[in-house]
Order: sequence, then C-alpha cells, then structure tokens
Amino acid sequence: DQQVKQNSPSLSVQEGRISILNCDYTNSMFDYFLWYKKYPAEGPTFLISISSIKDKNEDGRFTVFLNKSAKHLSLHIVPSQPGDSAVYFCAATGKGNNFNKFYFGSGTKLNVKP
Amino acid sequence: NAGVMQNPRHLVRRRGQEARLRCSPMKGHSHVYWYRQLPEEGLKFMVYLQKENIIDESGMPKERFSAEFPKEGPSILRIQQVVRGDSAAYFCASSLMAGNTEAFFGQGTRLTVV
Repeated sequence: DQQVKQNSPSLSVQEGRISILNCDYTNSMFDYFLWYKKYPAEGPTFLISISSIKDKNEDGRFTVFLNKSAKHLSLHIVPSQPGDSAVYFCAATGKGNNFNKFYFGSGTKLNVKP
Repeated sequence: NAGVMQNPRHLVRRRGQEARLRCSPMKGHSHVYWYRQLPEEGLKFMVYLQKENIIDESGMPKERFSAEFPKEGPSILRIQQVVRGDSAAYFCASSLMAGNTEAFFGQGTRLTVV
C-alpha cells in the first residue's frame, strides 16, 4: 500500500518561474516530512524537511508547506533554475517507527527550461 | 570527509547466482539503512541496522535476502539465488544517531539480473 503519493510523474517549468511539487500521505501517524532531490545515477540528496508542529519551512529558494488536515505537503522552488532539473521525492516518517523508516513517494521529475 | 560509499556501482548477475552489495557509512555513523528502488517507483525501506544488530527488517523479503553490519567493515546486503525481479537500484543510507531524520544516502548499486 502506497502511504505517500506523488501523483504528478513530471513537471515542466520555465526558468525564473515557480515550481510547485505536491505530495499526499494517508498515514496520520506521520509527523516528519522530507524532500529529497535525485540526479540520474546518484543517490538522493536531502533538500528540506518539516515537522508536523509547523505548517511552513523555508530555506533559500525552497519552501515546504504542510497541510495536516488535508494530509498534503508541497515544495515550492522560487525562482526555478535549470540546475534544479532532477527527480524530487517526498518522504515521511514518524514516532511510530522511531523515525527509523522513511516512506517515499514515487517521485516527480522536474524539468526547468532555460 | 567521505560520504556514504557503496560498491560496486553496477553489478550483473545471472539468475541463481548470489549478489553482495557493500555499504560503508559516513565516518562516525553507526546506523545504516537499506532501500530498494524498482524502475519508475520510489525507494522502499528494506532494513535498518546498527553495529552487529538488526533493528528493523520489516521491509526485507522473507527468503533469499539478508543483511549484516559487523563490528568491523562495511554493511553487506546479500541476495541469494537472484531472480530477474531483484533487478533494481539498492541504496544505503547512514545516520549519526538513531531516529536521525537526515540520513545521508550513497550513490547506490544498480543490480541487473540476466
């Protein structure tokens, strides 16, 4: 059963515009969420995270929003740059498994066009 | 400060052979996690190990798969009698503490079973 879902397999955005990547989860026990970025033939790289006690976390051009009632989070990249082109994975974990196990979505491939 | 090192990067095995995947965590890290990524899917948790202990193997297939993290040396994921369905990218991550929500991933081992 897929507990974390990324329903958009791909997204294409013009350089300088905003990229919005979405993620939904079903398990109400999740209370920590992360975004990873992955280039081909490389491992995932941590990007940004958010705890369930917050609804927003910002780091430079990257902002993650969490809507707990909707079990939805999103990653905003502003402004988007060609170097941001990669696959973005949403992941979730929680106290229920001592934060030891991440549940990943299937990824969204972002293409930022120059 | 080397990151998480996985080897080999690519491994080709014939059906029925054994595959051994190695993971050296970041310096000072004693917590290791293995994930598997099938084509077009997200990463799926397999096992969490600390030195000489398996903490959570809830994602490991019941047969043919085993993992260890000895006192000395890398963590090993072992797949016996490989089948075509085992073809995937296998990622290892490490963290400094248990429940560390910012695990660092290696570049992965791509296993192809022919």
